[in-house]
Amino acid sequence: DAKTTQPPSMDCAEGRAANLPCNHSTISGNEYVYWYRQIHSQGPQYIIHGLKNNETNEMASLIITEDRKSSTLILPHATLRDTAVYYCIVRVKPPPGTYKYIFGTGTRLKVLA
Amino acid sequence: NAGVTQTPKFRILKIGQSMTLQCTQDMNHNYMYWYRQDPGMGLKLIYYSVGAGITDKGEVPNGYNVSRSTTEDFPLRLELAAPSQTSVYFCATRAGPNTEAFFGQGTRLTVV
Repeated sequence: DAKTTQPPSMDCAEGRAANLPCNHSTISGNEYVYWYRQIHSQGPQYIIHGLKNNETNEMASLIITEDRKSSTLILPHATLRDTAVYYCIVRVKPPPGTYKYIFGTGTRLKVLA
Repeated sequence: NAGVTQTPKFRILKIGQSMTLQCTQDMNHNYMYWYRQDPGMGLKLIYYSVGAGITDKGEVPNGYNVSRSTTEDFPLRLELAAPSQTSVYFCATRAGPNTEAFFGQGTRLTVV
């Protein structure tokens, strides 16, 4: 039932941009891509979401390819506090029109001093 | 405005006991979800609800039951606790299908 594929782990130097990729080749035309992160064992924290255009907020930027089959989350200046597991999620829509969101295994980002 | 509140934060159960994990939200959101997270793993969807009176199964519903009698509350029931249900349980809410989700801080359950 998994709808996204992410690398299991990545390292990034503090102060550099962290680019986290996600493949969602089966996404349908009207489905959003969501990104969350989980620090230690806390509840996941929302970062950003988008449909087809690139999005930016105070936390990150989201770049979605034109065919929408993949996206990249960018943390422009990673800090040690950004060390976390990052999840890319798309919605699974089974009939008759209810919605569920399935988490994949995520990418464990480690920011190095 | 408390957001999403889960109780208890920690619980130890004996095999065969039952309990209810509580989730309450004060954001008037229609959509609510229960996830479990085993050590070192991602979140697995147990049950979800799109409004009061409506619930549906997620990926791993066996051994659990839910109800949604009000917008605010979405309790998760374990009838016969098993060691395989040792996990951290997260409740989440969202206003609609294309909005962000808000998570509670989790309930850490150990079944011995």
